[in-house]
Amino acid sequence: QVQLVESGGGLVKPGGSLRLSCSASGFTFSDFYMGWIRQAPGEGLEWVSYISTTGSMIYYADSVKGRFTISRDNAKNSLFLHMNSLRADDTAVYYCARDPTSSHFDFWGQGTLVTVSS
Amino acid sequence: QVVLTQSPSASASLGASVKLTCTLSSGHSTYAIAWHQQQPEKGPRYLMKLNSDGSHSKGDGIPDRFSGSSSGAERYLTISSLQSEDEAVYYCQTWGTGIRVFGGGTKLTVL
Repeated sequence: QVQLVESGGGLVKPGGSLRLSCSASGFTFSDFYMGWIRQAPGEGLEWVSYISTTGSMIYYADSVKGRFTISRDNAKNSLFLHMNSLRADDTAVYYCARDPTSSHFDFWGQGTLVTVSS
Repeated sequence: QVVLTQSPSASASLGASVKLTCTLSSGHSTYAIAWHQQQPEKGPRYLMKLNSDGSHSKGDGIPDRFSGSSSGAERYLTISSLQSEDEAVYYCQTWGTGIRVFGGGTKLTVL
């Protein structure tokens, strides 16, 4: 069955960097767009970024543009989010999700918590 | 840019039905949406994709108790025969080229 497992979260100081990973299984990873969505404590869902099947198309929310970089390795069935210049308001659970038709998300991971604090 | 509006909260009794609403902003009434459910302390779960004509396609294993419908700029999620595990936050989501948008979520309480 489809599984998405995020890793790489943790505590980081303001201005620091972190790389999140999402390991996919149970489907042909290279056939699907993928995305990152985050959820600050007690808040709703906020889209962060998405990437096309080959990585040729990449988009970001304004709140992370210029600081975050999404990438994928289809040979390793993995999605990544490189986060630089982290701020306190980046504190959130980060979810990876599958995007079957460049539209909605149809499978979600369980999330990884990123805490930005001094 | 498209905006999705949801009521912050709703409640209904065990065994009853409830209809949740997601409203598309002006000029975007033809957009399709998706509904997602987030139970307490869990990651979100995809429920269905809902088109402007009311047709919908559900995710794997989603019970028949969950259905969708549309009217103008409104998109609805109806849950019948409410069970305790339906207590959750329900998010609508839409999309365009280069953007994905979520509504603020409706917290459903099952009484």
